[in-house]
Amino acid sequence: DVKVTQSSRYLVKRTGEKVFLECVQDMDHENMFWYRQDPGLGLRLIYFSYDVKMKEKGDIPEGYSVSREKKERFSLILESASTNQTSMYLCASRTLGTSGNEQFFGPGTRLTVL
Amino acid sequence: EDKVVQSPLSLVVHEGDTVTLNCSYEVTNFRSLLWYKQEKKAPTFLFMLTSSGIEKKSGRLSSILDKKELFSILNITATQTGDSAVYLCAVGGLLPDNYGQNFVFGPGTRLSVLP
Repeated sequence: DVKVTQSSRYLVKRTGEKVFLECVQDMDHENMFWYRQDPGLGLRLIYFSYDVKMKEKGDIPEGYSVSREKKERFSLILESASTNQTSMYLCASRTLGTSGNEQFFGPGTRLTVL
Repeated sequence: EDKVVQSPLSLVVHEGDTVTLNCSYEVTNFRSLLWYKQEKKAPTFLFMLTSSGIEKKSGRLSSILDKKELFSILNITATQTGDSAVYLCAVGGLLPDNYGQNFVFGPGTRLSVLP
């Protein structure tokens, strides 16, 4: 059973703080993704990584950075949190080269920036 | 620009009704279309579609893809209150250098099934 875990379920931070959101998957997946979900906007891709130390910008990378030093861990960093980054953040992972192509999601982190 | 549109955005039905959810897309180098069900937490996978005209079924749910007209439908028959959720459509386009897929998600359809 694939397991994707995220470090926090709920997080409250202040404007200007640096925020780390951690995601770990235990199935040796190559691809990992960070999304944010906002009402009426669906899931929007922030960054993705298709292998260790590789990262690509998604649709809304501004204000975010990522780190993939190990295959199982993909971190999302908010260098200086702002109130418009209050959202639900979802991490997902997927393996290459199979017929499945489904993404496995973590439980999500609800971040509130005050 | 890649785009996924879902309709309706919101739907309220009564138990026993049949519903059809729509997903249309414009994606570069299309590879697959996925349907997810999202309740309170993260989305759970329902179907993956890659070929036109082949229906996928799982219990009361079924889905089909039309790659010529660029859309997919998700059918739910004999709906139950437990079907109440947001249904997400995601379309995968091939990444540069054939290195996997990038997925674009639609906004979702919020389905409410009343007793």
